[in-house]
Amino acid sequence: EAGVAQSPRYKIIEKRQSVAFWCNPISGHATLYWYQQILGQGPKLLIQFQNNGVVDDSQLPKDRFSAERLKGVDSTLKIQPAKLEDSAVYLCASSFRSSAVSYNEQFFGPGTRLTVL
Amino acid sequence: GQQVMQIPQYQHVQEGEDFTTYCNSSTTLSNIQWYKQRPGGHPVFLIQLVKSGEVKKQKRLTFQFGEAKKNSSLHITATQTTDVGTYFCAGLETGANNLFFGTGTRLTVIP
Repeated sequence: EAGVAQSPRYKIIEKRQSVAFWCNPISGHATLYWYQQILGQGPKLLIQFQNNGVVDDSQLPKDRFSAERLKGVDSTLKIQPAKLEDSAVYLCASSFRSSAVSYNEQFFGPGTRLTVL
Repeated sequence: GQQVMQIPQYQHVQEGEDFTTYCNSSTTLSNIQWYKQRPGGHPVFLIQLVKSGEVKKQKRLTFQFGEAKKNSSLHITATQTTDVGTYFCAGLETGANNLFFGTGTRLTVIP
């Protein structure tokens, strides 16, 4: 079974530039998550999709971050414009349909390491 | 808001020694998951605990969920160099839809 795919693996940009990350979840997984992991910290949820609908985006800085999952499969996360504090690893994860009643394990992709100079 | 703290933040052990990490939530959890992240890698699911007081074992790893469902622990018996990594607990607050990851415990095993 193929895992969660992410690209690019690494990205270096200057502040105020834009960047986009792509994620393809495991086939059949309805729930997709984007996390931000700053060095030395635990993953912080940015946004959670169930199929193509947003379940939770309460921690997404909406003035600069956006995400979409138009066809309920792959997803993109965009930062525009980037700030120095956005330097982090951006992890995508997927799971079978999860809810407050039935929560499933998450499968993580390799992540995209973003450096903002 | 929900907070999930883990102690210790770092732990160095000699190979063969035991290791325990503790996870404490500010709110009651409906379930808790544990993940392991190797250096330079991504989190990998280890286990999920749902019931109050639940104890689960995976070979040398023992996971426990507190009676009040606000804390959990992971104990590794006789550590090996392959146990190196950061262990995260992740809690699902009752009624919530998403996990909240803890601060992690970074384990170093000295051969």
